[in-house]
Amino acid sequence: DVKVTQSSRYLVKRTGEKVFLECVQDMDHENMFWYRQDPGLGLRLIYFSYDVKMKEKGDIPEGYSVSREKKERFSLILESASTNQTSMYLCASSLSTGRGNQPQHFGDGTRLSIL
Amino acid sequence: AQKVTQAQTEISVVEKEDVTLDCVYETRDTTYYLFWYKQPPSGELVFLIRRNSFDEQNEISGRYSWNFQKSTSSFNFTITASQVVDSAVYFCALPYSGAGSYQLTFGKGTKLSVIP
Repeated sequence: DVKVTQSSRYLVKRTGEKVFLECVQDMDHENMFWYRQDPGLGLRLIYFSYDVKMKEKGDIPEGYSVSREKKERFSLILESASTNQTSMYLCASSLSTGRGNQPQHFGDGTRLSIL
Repeated sequence: AQKVTQAQTEISVVEKEDVTLDCVYETRDTTYYLFWYKQPPSGELVFLIRRNSFDEQNEISGRYSWNFQKSTSSFNFTITASQVVDSAVYFCALPYSGAGSYQLTFGKGTKLSVIP
């Protein structure tokens, strides 16, 4: 089974802090994704990566950056956390075989609260 | 542009009832895939099924079945004899259009509550 592991289930940080959310997958997937999920807004893509050191902006990249130094690890960085970044963050990975044909596999999510 | 609409925001059923979750999509692609995911209260999204646009046969897996109708751009999900463990948010998803796209467009989800 595919395993996508997010470093924390719950995280509380303060406004202005630099926050790191880590995601690791064990299935040698080329693609990795970061989403945030908010009530009424569904899942929104923040960034994704299709290869090591490669990244593409999603729908809501403002206030975030990402890092992918190794194939299995994809980090989401909140440069200066703000209260409007309080949300559920979900990491996913997928194979790159066939455009968009492969399912994305998700981690358990991180509930981040910014105080 | 790709679009996925799940018009039912919330549904409540009594245990053992059948329930259908609707998904309507828009795409300019002639061939495409569609996905359903389940998100239980614990939070993780679980992949349920992938169907391609070539295959309009209904898919059945235990109590779950999916009805794909290309003519109406719908990919509906039916749970037969619902159980409390089926309580979750269900998402329908469609890949972005264009070569080299690996992103998915998700509907906003339908929250299903199965009451014992």
